[in-house]
Amino acid sequence: SAVISQKPSRDICQRGTSLTIQCQVDSQVTMMFWYRQQPGQSLTLIATANQGSEATYESGFVIDKFPISRPNLTFSTLTVSNMSPEDSSIYLCSVGGLSYEQYFGPGTRLTVT
Amino acid sequence: DAKTTQPNSMESNEEEPVHLPCNHSTISGTDYIHWYRQLPSQGPEYVIHGLTSNVNNRMASLAIAEDRKSSTLILHRATLRDAAVYYCILRDPSGSSYKLIFGSGTRLLVRP
Repeated sequence: SAVISQKPSRDICQRGTSLTIQCQVDSQVTMMFWYRQQPGQSLTLIATANQGSEATYESGFVIDKFPISRPNLTFSTLTVSNMSPEDSSIYLCSVGGLSYEQYFGPGTRLTVT
Repeated sequence: DAKTTQPNSMESNEEEPVHLPCNHSTISGTDYIHWYRQLPSQGPEYVIHGLTSNVNNRMASLAIAEDRKSSTLILHRATLRDAAVYYCILRDPSGSSYKLIFGSGTRLLVRP
């Protein structure tokens, strides 16, 4: 199994600003993913964070808005840039690899005012 | 990615069995059927997965139809702690990506 922590756990930000969310795993993992969960909705995959290369974004998400870093096999960051109220969501980090399970962090609850 | 269809919500009484259905008529031969659940205010957690045969673990059982176009997650004895959103997801492990694509899921309410 893997234990995942995220920082911050929640934040309230003003529109037009940026927030960087950190994801730390207690072991080296091959795959790291970032998801968004809008209020009352299911999870939507934003991107796959690739170690040593650029992230792979899903349709509808772009690097300028959601830049991602993956400096090593245990850490990743997601930045939500130039925020608007529509970005108010829970952002979750998950990890996976050769095993069949994915493990999810507790999420970061973001409110943009 | 192949699509799954689940009821929006279901209700159960505590200590009774619960059968959560999932339709996946466009499943491919290499897709595994995964179930995750999301408890309130938590990230999703793995429940069970299978390919063709029925599967059992400490959390639940997974019954897969012979034609694989549908499956059922079985909670043998629901508890209040099982109240969550349950997601049925298809994933092909032969691909280079291990990503999970979530549908809308089934919200399970457990009555005491």
